[in-house]
Amino acid sequence: GESVGLHLPTLSVQEGDNSIINCAYSNSASDYFIWYKQESGKGPQFIIDIRSNMDKRQGQRVTVLLNKTVKHLSLQIAATQPGDSAVYFCAENSGGSNYKLTFGKGTLLTVNP
Amino acid sequence: DADVTQTPRNRITKTGKRIMLECSQTKGHDRMYWYRQDPGLGLRLIYYSFDVKDINKGEISDGYSVSRQAQAKFSLSLESAIPNQTALYFCATARAGSGGTDTQYFGPGTRLTVL
Repeated sequence: GESVGLHLPTLSVQEGDNSIINCAYSNSASDYFIWYKQESGKGPQFIIDIRSNMDKRQGQRVTVLLNKTVKHLSLQIAATQPGDSAVYFCAENSGGSNYKLTFGKGTLLTVNP
Repeated sequence: DADVTQTPRNRITKTGKRIMLECSQTKGHDRMYWYRQDPGLGLRLIYYSFDVKDINKGEISDGYSVSRQAQAKFSLSLESAIPNQTALYFCATARAGSGGTDTQYFGPGTRLTVL
């Protein structure tokens, strides 16, 4: 069946370090992936996305890597800041043109000053 | 995202009551979604709508109904609330694009407690 999961439920890093959050997916037909950030008391906020025809995409301080061979997605945050502390979700478009997202359960990132 | 608003932000109700959660958006998006979020379970899709005349069930639609009153408004109703519907509810919107590669933008959420 379809599933999107995370390798680590929690991640604690020191301010200034790089963070890597991982995600595994099982639906090889998924063609679009998104990372969301959710701060306490707020709705998920779009961070970065990647299509299945790409392996890597960079944003401001964030990079998403997609490895279709092993169905693995990762989010890299450079020079992690206290404001990066949040729950991070990966999501996959497993519905094709119907665009239905399947979300992972989330990873809590804590940045220590 | 301030372009997607939800009302109320918090609601406490009793078992058996009818509850309506409302979502409005100024993004001009055609597609709207309702999710619930529970600890340890992530976000699960309740209903979605691709335009005013199109309503579709998500993975957990039982006990819920929706109404798409206009392009900008999508309401979620609990006809007879039960305690296991206590959760955070999120509305999301997306534009209709090609290839299914459309980001969903979320509202701030409604915290619903059913006693």
